[in-house]
Amino acid sequence: GIQVEQSPPDLILQEGANSTLRCNFSDSVNNLQWFHQNPWGQLINLFYIPSGTKQNGRLSATTVATERYSLLYISSSQTTDSGVYFCAVKFGNTGKLIFGQGTTLQVKP
Amino acid sequence: DTGVSQDPRHKITKRGQNVTFRCDPISEHNRLYWYRQTLGQGPEFLTYFQNEAQLEKSRLLSDRFSAERPKGSFSTLEIQRTEQGDSAMYLCASSLALTVQETQYFGPGTRLLVL
Repeated sequence: GIQVEQSPPDLILQEGANSTLRCNFSDSVNNLQWFHQNPWGQLINLFYIPSGTKQNGRLSATTVATERYSLLYISSSQTTDSGVYFCAVKFGNTGKLIFGQGTTLQVKP
Repeated sequence: DTGVSQDPRHKITKRGQNVTFRCDPISEHNRLYWYRQTLGQGPEFLTYFQNEAQLEKSRLLSDRFSAERPKGSFSTLEIQRTEQGDSAMYLCASSLALTVQETQYFGPGTRLLVL
C-alpha cells in the first residue's frame, strides 16, 4: 500500500526560530492534509493542499505532487506551536486518509 | 457550526465488557469516518460511511467491532468483549464529499482504557 514518511521525527526549537517539516509519499495522491495534534489529542486542520502553495499566517505549505512530497513551514515559532504534526494523504477511490508517523515539535521559551 | 463532537471523551472499562462510542458529525456532512490512534502512532483508518451506507472497512476492524450510521447523521462504534489491546484513542471525522476535493474534520476523540 501507499507509504507516508515524515521527517524529522522529533524537532526542538527555540522560540522565534523557523522550521521545515517534510512529508514524502510513495504514490500519486488526490488529497493531502496537514494537521497539528495538540496535547489533548485534538487534530486541528492546518492545510488541505494536494498541490501548490498555501499560506496562513506564520504557517505555509507546499506540495509538489509530481515529486511526491509536501513541506510545512513554520516561521517565528511560538511555544503554542508545540505538539505533533501529521501529514495525511488520500489516493484512488478510497475515502480513507493514510497518516504518516508524525513530527513531534517542542518549542522552548 | 459546532464541529464534530464525540461522547464520551474518556472511558475506562474492564476486559470483556462491551463499550459504545458516539460521534456527531458537522451538520450536512455526508461522510463520517472512524480512526484509531495508539500512543506514538498516527491515526489508522477503521471504517467510513457515506450517508447511511458503510462503504469501506479496514482489516483492523475485527468481528468484535461494529459501526452504524442508521439515519445518515450520528454514528456509533461498538466494541464487544474488549481486550487490553483495544486501549487507544478513537477518532471520528466528517467531510462533505461532493468532489474529489474533500477535507476531513476531526472530533476531540474518545480515549479508551481497558483494564
